[in-house]
Parts: sequence; structure tokens; C-alpha cells
Amino acid sequence: DSGVTQTPKHLITATGQRVTLRCSPRSGDLSVYWYQQSLDQGLQFLIQYYNGEERAKGNILERFSAQQFPDLHSELNLSSLELGDSALYFCASSVAGVGNSPLHFGNGTRLTVT
Amino acid sequence: GENVEQHPSTLSVQEGDSAVIKCTYSDSASNYFPWYKQELGKRPQLIIDIRSNVGEKKDQRIAVTLNKTAKHFSLHITETQPEDSAVYFCAASMTGNQFYFGTGTSLTVIP
Repeated sequence: DSGVTQTPKHLITATGQRVTLRCSPRSGDLSVYWYQQSLDQGLQFLIQYYNGEERAKGNILERFSAQQFPDLHSELNLSSLELGDSALYFCASSVAGVGNSPLHFGNGTRLTVT
Repeated sequence: GENVEQHPSTLSVQEGDSAVIKCTYSDSASNYFPWYKQELGKRPQLIIDIRSNVGEKKDQRIAVTLNKTAKHFSLHITETQPEDSAVYFCAASMTGNQFYFGTGTSLTVIP
């Protein structure tokens, strides 16, 4: 167990809908990262937060948004969902906001858009 | 920005043989290089990492080497076992920046 908790594990929804994915980082970790992994694809970086503030942005669509709350948990909001948004969404956390401490991944949320 | 290339994309080896996966990076400021193993449908798990002030690191059957001059690093798995079958991702990062992942190598160990 990595200590990173993601909920829900599975999510099935229809096109056009909006969903929220939740992540609780490991105790003591201040930084949260979100990644998208489509079938048989690599890890696409979406966004990073450090201690409540956005630190870095990847190829995140405008329909997607995220935030990190004072208790350090993070939420990823996906709206106007399309079939192509179906993927495994991973949250990862690290101790620092700098890129030289390892990422610890949660078990992911599998999103299916029908 | 940083660009990480990973080769090969697929690799099949006989049980007991060695497997080598190679990654190159573009930004000389990158200073931390972790490797992750991802089994089907599961989360990526850190298996070994190396920092830029070290040339080689070993953990039982797994080793990583880093050549800063050539900007490449490699994962070596010796005495492979069927449970080593998975997708392996390399990554590069630098202080204050995010992680850049390679595209992954699907390793199959044939019993």
C-alpha cells in the first residue's frame, strides 16, 4: 500500500456529464500530481499542486480542473465528458514540491464514459 | 522542456536471462531518475531510483546505471522471473520541476 488514497475506484458515466475524482496524499506529503493513462498508453501528466498552490501544468484540457485543499487532499474535476476521456486517472504524492523525491502512486480511478 | 525517450517498447526474454531497458533525456539539469514497474491494471510502483551524483545503484537483481555525459540511463534486471513481467517506465526530473516519463517498455519473461 502506497499510502495514497483515491476514490472512487471505478466510475461509469455518460458523455456530457461531470465527475470529481478525489485523492488523499501520503501523510506528510505536500505535493500532489495527477496523471491520465489511456489504454496501453503511457502516463500523461496533467497537473501538480504543492501545499495548496498550482506548481506545474501539463497537457490538461480546459474541461478539466483541479485543486488542492488546506488539508492537502486534491480533487480533479472533469466536465463535458467525451468518450476519449475514458482512462485510468492516477494521483501521486511526494514529500516535496521539487522533482527530486519519489512519486508514490495511488491505485487509480478507472473512468468509463459511455 | 525535458524529453525522455525509452527503448525498446516491447521486450521478451527467457526466464533466467537478463533484460536491459534504456532511456535518454534531453535536459542536462535533470538530476533524479526513478524507475517504475506497472503490472496490468495496477498502479506504477517505484522499484529503484538514482540521483545525478551517482553512476550506478543496485538492489538485488535490479540495477540502474547513469551516464550524465551521454544523458542516458538504463535499467538492468538479472535472472529474470515470470513475476518480472510488467510495463516499466523510466522518468527524469529536476529540482523544482515535474517528472517526465518515458513511453514504457512491456517486458515479458517466458517460463
